[in-house]
Amino acid sequence: KAGVTQTPRYLIKTRGQQVTLSCSPISGHRSVSWYQQTPGQGLQFLFEYFSETQRNKGNFPGRFSGRQFSNSRSEMNVSTLELGDSALYLCASSLRLAINEQFFGPGTRLTVL
Amino acid sequence: DAKTTQPTSMDCAEGRAANLPCNHSTISGNEYVYWYRQIHSQGPQYIIHGLKNNETNEMASLIITEDRKSSTLILPHATLRDTAVYYCIVRAFNDYKLSFGAGTTVTVRA
Repeated sequence: KAGVTQTPRYLIKTRGQQVTLSCSPISGHRSVSWYQQTPGQGLQFLFEYFSETQRNKGNFPGRFSGRQFSNSRSEMNVSTLELGDSALYLCASSLRLAINEQFFGPGTRLTVL
Repeated sequence: DAKTTQPTSMDCAEGRAANLPCNHSTISGNEYVYWYRQIHSQGPQYIIHGLKNNETNEMASLIITEDRKSSTLILPHATLRDTAVYYCIVRAFNDYKLSFGAGTTVTVRA
């Protein structure tokens, strides 16, 4: 069974631009969570989607948004990029909401210049 | 508001057992101990979790003290591929989010 895939793997943007990241969960998994990982802050929860609805949200500004499609694939968008948004963005999928075992993708490394 | 304390780094010889300690003295009754690891350039990988009994799976064993204030992850026969950052976290069973701190950087040496 294929794992979680994320595209693109690397991205370089400049301040003020916007970016869209994509995540394809493991087949059959309906929950997708997004995380931001930085050396200073560690892993931080962004949001979780289930059945095309955002079910849980972390403490990030409104510039961070996401959506989930009927096939469970998910995208996250960051508008008006800031230097501090440089990070590894991770997607994790699980069978259901708030389940013990989440499977992570390799992440998208975003660099904002 | 760190809930767990782990050593910053540790070395282990290939083929030997690696014992990774974690302190979680403020753990609540409904919180589980989870372990994840992150190999360089990859996403985090779930290893094991437990409430109060010792647990074992194909990857590792988890030993939780009787007072639940600390635990030890045991990798029985460390290989070079086990070199990674290991994260110990506590979370309630229905908590929807994960949060990692700095973890322990484990280096397995030949």
